[in-house]
Amino acid sequence: DAMVIQNPRYQVTQFGKPVTLSCSQTLNHNVMYWYQQKSSQAPKLLFHYYDKDFNNEADTPDNFQSRRPNTSFCFLDIRSPGLGDAAMYLCATSRDRRVNEQFFGPGTRLTVL
Amino acid sequence: KNQVEQSPQSLIILEGKNCTLQCNYTVSPFSNLRWYKQDTGRGPVSLTIMTFSENTKSNGRYTATLDADTKQSSLHITASQLSDSASYICVVSPDVTTDSWGKLQFGAGTQVVVTP
Repeated sequence: DAMVIQNPRYQVTQFGKPVTLSCSQTLNHNVMYWYQQKSSQAPKLLFHYYDKDFNNEADTPDNFQSRRPNTSFCFLDIRSPGLGDAAMYLCATSRDRRVNEQFFGPGTRLTVL
Repeated sequence: KNQVEQSPQSLIILEGKNCTLQCNYTVSPFSNLRWYKQDTGRGPVSLTIMTFSENTKSNGRYTATLDADTKQSSLHITASQLSDSASYICVVSPDVTTDSWGKLQFGAGTQVVVTP
């Protein structure tokens, strides 16, 4: 089945230790998104890729970076995780930016010790 | 200020009972409104989608309504089941009339707990 896959599902890291979260998709969608979701809050968009074009949200901390080496994969890099970065990280895709139905992955739960 | 407000924040219902969740939005103009179900520790899954010209849409025991004049939507769950325990998120898509894109506006969700 076509889907959005995130690995790992659970990630534990130490304060300040870089971590990378992975997302892959078999939908062949042009757009991939990364959201941060904290408990009982709405998902917050961090950035998105429209094909190879990277679009950062104005309030996304510099600590967060992303890479999209090809259509299928997108990575979220947190250079120096702080305690406040503990959250669920959701990857989503859409066929096009103007076709705004987004398909979400299962998420990666990040814990920072 | 969030452009999508949901109420209640949480609710507990007995299995088999009905419940209604509310969503008020200020996004204008808007393209469509979706309700997502998010199980604990999972990503959101789309339940219904309505454009501004639609006022009701059903998906099994889930029925969504939309009043574009008052900018209100509701999600009604009929004959609730234990598996309905989840967060329900209202998401509004801005209308995109140019080549630019409209960022989805998410509500904070309503946490529903169905008890036996």
